[in-house]
Amino acid sequence: DAGITQSPRHKVTETGTPVTLRCHQTENHRYMYWYRQDPGHGLRLIHYSYGVKDTDKGEVSDGYSVSRSKTEDFLLTLESATSSQTSVYFCAIRTRGSGNTIYFGEGSWLTVV
Amino acid sequence: QQQVKQSPQSLIVQKGGISIINCAYENTAFDYFPWYQQFPGKGPALLIAIRPDVSEKKEGRFTISFNKSAKQFSLHIMDSQPGDSATYFCAAIGGSNYKLTFGKGTLLTVNP
Repeated sequence: DAGITQSPRHKVTETGTPVTLRCHQTENHRYMYWYRQDPGHGLRLIHYSYGVKDTDKGEVSDGYSVSRSKTEDFLLTLESATSSQTSVYFCAIRTRGSGNTIYFGEGSWLTVV
Repeated sequence: QQQVKQSPQSLIVQKGGISIINCAYENTAFDYFPWYQQFPGKGPALLIAIRPDVSEKKEGRFTISFNKSAKQFSLHIMDSQPGDSATYFCAAIGGSNYKLTFGKGTLLTVNP
């Protein structure tokens, strides 16, 4: 599992509330990613990070922000959750010395009611 | 704009048969093409991957065929088993920040 832990694994929240998902890695990898998975859309990149305090937007970044204050943690925040953000969120890391191998965490199921 | 197109959306195969999933891409900057397997309730797991300088890669029952001139690649699962029933995603990576672009997935069902 490349040492990736996502939390919480399941969450139900109300529209308009802030939500933070955490991705924690234990192997000091530089690159970390947040994807969302929705039926009919596959997996789409929200934000990614290429180092501490270095982040950039993916293809579906509207309504999301991220932070990476230390190597091991990459946080995804929904400032004001909406029903369209009900999804499964996956964190991923790129391992060093293995070409472009990217591994995924087990996912965080978020329901916005 | 969908950069990686995957077909079919769903596939039903009998045990022992061959499963074939196809993908096509547009961006010639892509230089690494992985396939992921995903079971319900789990994260995508890397299955096999290929670089464009190779036309075929085989790992056990799984083979990737790559056609650089046509910008197409495919996954073949030989002797398909019920345990192979899952969703399969093709993907492509290119550029300095190693961002994966996914196809929309194929739901494979292997009947006993």
